[in-house]
Amino acid sequence: EIVLTQSPVTLSLSPGERATLSCRASQSVGSYLAWYQQKAGQAPRLLIYDASNRATGIPARFSGSGSGTDFTLTISSLEPEDFAVYYCQQRSNWPTFGGGTKVEIK
Amino acid sequence: QVQLVESGGGLVKPGGSLRLSCVISGLSFSDTYLTWIRQAPGKGLEWVSYISPAGGTTCADSVKGRFTISRDNAKNSLYLQMDSLRVEDTAVYYCARASGSGPYGHTDHWGQGTLVTVSS
Repeated sequence: EIVLTQSPVTLSLSPGERATLSCRASQSVGSYLAWYQQKAGQAPRLLIYDASNRATGIPARFSGSGSGTDFTLTISSLEPEDFAVYYCQQRSNWPTFGGGTKVEIK
Repeated sequence: QVQLVESGGGLVKPGGSLRLSCVISGLSFSDTYLTWIRQAPGKGLEWVSYISPAGGTTCADSVKGRFTISRDNAKNSLYLQMDSLRVEDTAVYYCARASGSGPYGHTDHWGQGTLVTVSS
């Protein structure tokens, strides 16, 4: 099983600030990595797929980068609705998710 | 508009069975790869099972031999038969569409989830 480790666990930022979230895989997943946003009581929403492609309707402030074992999700300027939990997911092997990063208001 | 609507969750005793359903509209169901993903209370996400348009299936080791995924293309429906349920199967279960070329896929459409509670 490919283990995804997300860091930090919690990120405390203010609206307007830049958020940088990390996801590290225990072995190479190529570019088969996605990012999701989940708000309390809701299903996850796909943000980024195949490492760097924004999903339909996702604002340009969200961007993804990386390949192999190290990936980054960047939110260029946090909006109030961006405070949520973010998960990465690989599909190189049986799909697994990272443990999540909570982006909270400072 | 794509919609996925799950049903069938509830309270069941350890060792019991439950069948989840997911009705999907707004897409070409027979061409769609589908999955069940679960989330234990306050925890992260776990892929449970996956089915191809042709009916080929795979599942997580944690549910192998106990859960069975199936589909009915005539009814635009996805199912998850859960037997020999354990306390650790307690979770919100989501059905989702898997997209993308290559293995498995990323999930771009999700249902609202249905809660399964396994407790005596």
